[in-house]
Amino acid sequence: GIQVEQSPPDLILQEGANSTLRCNFSDSVNNLQWFHQNPWGQLINLFYIPSGTKQNGRLSATTVATERYSLLYISSSQTTDSGVYFCAASLTGANSKLTFGKGITLSVRP
Amino acid sequence: DSGVTQTPKHLITATGQRVTLRCSPRSGDLSVYWYQQSLDQGLQFLIQYYNGEERAKGNILERFSAQQFPDLHSELNLSSLELGDSALYFCASGGLGETQYFGPGTRLLVL
Repeated sequence: GIQVEQSPPDLILQEGANSTLRCNFSDSVNNLQWFHQNPWGQLINLFYIPSGTKQNGRLSATTVATERYSLLYISSSQTTDSGVYFCAASLTGANSKLTFGKGITLSVRP
Repeated sequence: DSGVTQTPKHLITATGQRVTLRCSPRSGDLSVYWYQQSLDQGLQFLIQYYNGEERAKGNILERFSAQQFPDLHSELNLSSLELGDSALYFCASGGLGETQYFGPGTRLLVL
């Protein structure tokens, strides 16, 4: 099956700083999603982005499918951005099950 | 709010018992997915149903089973529970090859 790797595993930021989270995947994908898991355990959809670039407020994401990676950018970070960020992907031509990376734990300090 | 509902939010039970987790997908979504999040295994796909039929299976134990009913809600049945089954169980819904929307999860604690 597909392998999904995220880096770095942990990130500590001062409020107001910018950051880039990376997701590498091992095969062609027809679905790539970024999620934020908040301290209460909820998985919040951030982006559905199998290719291209999207922006939503202070967050943006880019997936370069031909090079098998995706990047999540967080600008002007806030303490509420803290939590775990997951990348998940599913293979092209297969069923839609998502394979998740191990996550990136982000702590934003005030 | 993703539009996916799960009940109950929390469940505490004893080893050897059986529990049922329930999921209602977003309106119009035919696919339901179940995932398990545990400390040692991370987030893992368990099983997928599409319009009432099982479509894909992941690392789902034989003690676990699921079904999707004609109204498209789904239930995940966990039996002969062990301590290691304690986890957060998510249901997601969506179309094939499209965004999956996750419910709030059911937190299961087996004592």
